[in-house]
Amino acid sequence: NAGVTQTPKFQVLKTGQSMTLQCAQDMNHNSMYWYRQDPGMGLRLIYYSASEGTTDKGEVPNGYNVSRLNKREFSLRLESAAPSQTSVYFCASIPGGTGGFHEQYFGPGTRLTVT
Amino acid sequence: AQSVAQPEDQVNVAEGNPLTVKCTYSVSGNPYLFWYVQYPNRGLQFLLKYITGDNLVKGSYGFEAEFNKSQTSFHLKKPSALVSDSALYFCAVRVGNYGGATNKLIFGTGTLLAVQP
Repeated sequence: NAGVTQTPKFQVLKTGQSMTLQCAQDMNHNSMYWYRQDPGMGLRLIYYSASEGTTDKGEVPNGYNVSRLNKREFSLRLESAAPSQTSVYFCASIPGGTGGFHEQYFGPGTRLTVT
Repeated sequence: AQSVAQPEDQVNVAEGNPLTVKCTYSVSGNPYLFWYVQYPNRGLQFLLKYITGDNLVKGSYGFEAEFNKSQTSFHLKKPSALVSDSALYFCAVRVGNYGGATNKLIFGTGTLLAVQP
């Protein structure tokens, strides 16, 4: 199993450009998450998908959109990138989804710089 | 509001000495607590969790954590530190609709552990 994979690993955008971060998991997990990590702020939840076909906002959703394409894939889109979106983005997944206590499995991250 | 606090930005310890990384929490209802480790330029890796039962939880790489309900703490410990333990450590608490389909984590700000040889 590859676990959780993310593409690209690095990306530099100019202000106003758009891009999509891709995430896929091969563990047949139900729930998937997108976080951003900023120095001194830990990880903050952007969006999550409790199951295929559903998505919900997290703590910091402004400026982002998501798509749960199927059970394996959960993408994050920046429609008009801003310097404040410079961050490291992590995707995570978890088995089950209905009241379980499983740990989350994280991808390796995408380091995004917006100039 | 539900939250997790890691009061120390950095912990320095000599190799072979015991280490403690502190975490306190504030939640409504029962706390479900996790520790993760992040090595440079990597994603987070699960170390251990407390759901219920014994207050001393054992996890990966020789780490353990002690749940203390009266002090609302969940400190990470290891009896003898290794240089290879140097990394960023995150405490997290699960929040959400426990009877439904949500399962979200709130993370602390992280503590950098530096183990000197």
